Amino acid sequence: GQSLEQPSEVTAVEGAIVQINCTYQTSGFYGLSWYQQHDGGAPTFLSYNGLDGLEETGRFSSFLSRSDSYGYLLLQELQMKDSASYFCAVRDRSGGYQKVTFGTGTKLQVIP
Amino acid sequence: DTAVSQTPKYLVTQMGNDKSIKCEQNLGHDTMYWYKQDSKKFLKIMFSYNNKELIINETVPNRFSPKSPDKAHLNLHINSLELGDSAVYFCASSQAPGGYTFGSGTRLTVV
Repeated sequence: GQSLEQPSEVTAVEGAIVQINCTYQTSGFYGLSWYQQHDGGAPTFLSYNGLDGLEETGRFSSFLSRSDSYGYLLLQELQMKDSASYFCAVRDRSGGYQKVTFGTGTKLQVIP
Repeated sequence: DTAVSQTPKYLVTQMGNDKSIKCEQNLGHDTMYWYKQDSKKFLKIMFSYNNKELIINETVPNRFSPKSPDKAHLNLHINSLELGDSAVYFCASSQAPGGYTFGSGTRLTVV
């Protein structure tokens, strides 16, 4: 089966940089995604890494190392509105179809 | 112009009742999903349909029955509701290899 590990909570200061790590165990791995969810809201897609390396989208970057079964989400120039839960999610093959399994989420609190 | 819309947004009902949640997507995606998010925010897949065909059916009580009349719709019917069914249920759609687009969620409270 699959397993994903990410920190449960992270606190960072406004304007700073924060890195949220994710390690995973799965077979038939395709890629790693990141989602943001504000309290009371729906998860929204942030990024997808299918290959090793860094993907950058504005203030957010995501990294994947397939050999280490590890990835991270990097948030720069933190803003108060970045306070949310962040989920890593692995896309893998299960029963002949691709499936996405979510981690337990990291609650990021940005403080002034 | 909501991409994935699900109704109702809130649902409060008594134990033993039967209820349905509806979901529609206008993105032209082939695959739709139902996820359950519990009070600890754990997102767990329940079902997945690809072009109206059930492709993922996780270990879910058979009181839960999905139905996809066409690839733009995926409904969830729940029989004999139990207290433990209280959660937020999210519908989502995707077109591989892209990310998922989630609906706004249905907060189900069973009393």
